[in-house]
Amino acid sequence: AQSVTQLGSHVSVSEGALVLLRCNYSSSVPPYLFWYVQYPNQGLQLLLKYTSAATLVKGINGFEAEFKKSETSFHLTKPSAHMSDAAEYFCAVRGNTNAGKSTFGDGTTLTVKP
Amino acid sequence: DVKVTQSSRYLVKRTGEKVFLECVQDMDHENMFWYRQDPGLGLRLIYFSYDVKMKEKGDIPEGYSVSREKKERFSLILESASTNQTSMYLCASSRAGTGNTEAFFGQGTRLTVV
Repeated sequence: AQSVTQLGSHVSVSEGALVLLRCNYSSSVPPYLFWYVQYPNQGLQLLLKYTSAATLVKGINGFEAEFKKSETSFHLTKPSAHMSDAAEYFCAVRGNTNAGKSTFGDGTTLTVKP
Repeated sequence: DVKVTQSSRYLVKRTGEKVFLECVQDMDHENMFWYRQDPGLGLRLIYFSYDVKMKEKGDIPEGYSVSREKKERFSLILESASTNQTSMYLCASSRAGTGNTEAFFGQGTRLTVV
């Protein structure tokens, strides 16, 4: 069975500070991993996805994530937080069947302080 | 621009009513999903469909049914709405096949059952 665990339901950073959102996964190999962002009263949109081509994945809005197989982690980072980054972030792992069900973490709410 | 459209952003229904939530995608995706989102619980899969007239139960199917008569449309049905079904409902679609194909989400329907 596949699963993801997001460490920390709330993260607060100051504008300009490093953002680090943690995600650990459990899945058969290879894992298909994603980060999604949800702004208030909207659906989820893709930030980035792990393609197995490179362990460091770059996404939209300056976010990136590093796949570490030895640690079963796929943490999301951004060097400098912006006020517009305030949102809820979800890590997800997708199954390797045609139906492609995804299992989502419980989400991490990011607050950015001025 | 790809799009998943949910028929309503907000709905208020009475206990015992039959409720229909509609979702349409314009990407010719094979897979469609209905999730329920509650604070602190992340996204939980209710039902998914990998082809027309095909459906499979997700993690929390009780009290719900679905219909997929056409490839682009996936409906969620609450046979007899109850207050514990008050929630945000998210529809998503994705391409079939293994690999790192992401899900595309609608804007969500916030359902209140009174």
